[in-house]
Amino acid sequence: NAGVMQNPRHLVRRRGQEARLRCSPMKGHSHVYWYRQLPEEGLKFMVYLQKENIIDESGMPKERFSAEFPKEGPSILRIQQVVRGDSAAYFCASSREGEQYFGPGTRLTVT
Amino acid sequence: QKEVEQDPGPLSVPEGAIVSLNCTYSNSAFQYFMWYRQYSRKGPELLMYTYSSGNKEDGRFTAQVDKSSKYISLFIRDSQPSDSATYLCAMPVGGGANSKLTFGKGITLSVRP
Repeated sequence: NAGVMQNPRHLVRRRGQEARLRCSPMKGHSHVYWYRQLPEEGLKFMVYLQKENIIDESGMPKERFSAEFPKEGPSILRIQQVVRGDSAAYFCASSREGEQYFGPGTRLTVT
Repeated sequence: QKEVEQDPGPLSVPEGAIVSLNCTYSNSAFQYFMWYRQYSRKGPELLMYTYSSGNKEDGRFTAQVDKSSKYISLFIRDSQPSDSATYLCAMPVGGGANSKLTFGKGITLSVRP
């Protein structure tokens, strides 16, 4: 059973560009979570989705960030007009009921 | 007061030592408790998942929850160099199993051969 898949693993964007991060949950998992890890700050929750629904987006910045989990295909975290402060590791986790399993992450670098 | 506090590190022990990692939390509504291990530049790996108070053992790892003191621990017996990683405690906010997780800052463990 494949684990949580994330791509790309590394992404470099110039300031002002858009970043799209993709997450495919484990088979049979309908809950998807996105977290961000900044150096020295630990893992912080961003958004929780189920198929076609955003359940909790209390950790998402109000501007430039959006997330979706369509009926078909992976979950997407989209960051518009990236700034240097968006440089971080972004992790996706999925669960069936309770236990959250993490993917390998996407390391975003904004130059 | 932060929701989850974790002992600051780093921690260095000799191979074979018993390691004790600890977290405290402030919200008495927390019901589920998790420990993750994260190797450098990798994703967090779920080590232990427990519900309510008590102990849970899995191989060399034991998770302990004391809800009366709002204190959780992870014990590693016969520590190995391969246990060198950052360990994070986590709890679902809101009490429900499918809630967002709040994490401790993590403690970096180094096991010396």
